Amino acid sequence: KAGVTQTPRYLIKTRGQQVTLSCSPISGHRSVSWYQQTPGQGLQFLFEYFSETQRNKGNFPGRFSGRQFSNSRSEMNVSTLELGDSALYLCASSTTGEKATQYFGPGTRLLVL
Amino acid sequence: GQNIDQPTEMTATEGAIVQINCTYQTSGFNGLFWYQQHAGEAPTFLSYNVLDGLEEKGRFSSFLSRSKGYSYLLLKELQMKDSASYLCAVNRRDDKIIFGKGTRLHILP
Repeated sequence: KAGVTQTPRYLIKTRGQQVTLSCSPISGHRSVSWYQQTPGQGLQFLFEYFSETQRNKGNFPGRFSGRQFSNSRSEMNVSTLELGDSALYLCASSTTGEKATQYFGPGTRLLVL
Repeated sequence: GQNIDQPTEMTATEGAIVQINCTYQTSGFNGLFWYQQHAGEAPTFLSYNVLDGLEEKGRFSSFLSRSKGYSYLLLKELQMKDSASYLCAVNRRDDKIIFGKGTRLHILP
């Protein structure tokens, strides 16, 4: 079974630009979550999608948005980029229940200049 | 509120055993994840505990006490490749997964 894939792997943008990141979950996984990881703050939850609906949202400004398509692929968008948005953005696909699992993609490393 | 605490750093010797603790206070609780993350890489799933008790998976075991809000990850027969950060994460009742800051484990030869 293929793992979680994310594109692009690396990205350099300038302040004020916008960016779209893509994530393809493991086949059969309907839940996709997005996280931001920085050295100072650790892994912080952005949002979770399940069957095309946003089920949970973290404490990030409205500049951060996402969506999920019918094939479970997900995208996240950050508008009006700020220097502080430089981070590793991780996507994870999950199964739920007592034997829950969550597998991360390799991440997109975003640098905002 | 919510709080997930783990030690920031630990050091252990190759071949030894180390226990990484995690305490949590969260709004509702479904279960607790442990992940391993090597520098520059994405986290790798290690375990998910829902019920109290110890679950063993090879050299790694994870323990949960729901009443105490406490979990630990036990690593046996440490190898140099176990040098990594170990992340504890709570799966809340609303299915939101909240991570601790991670424990950086250094293995000495």
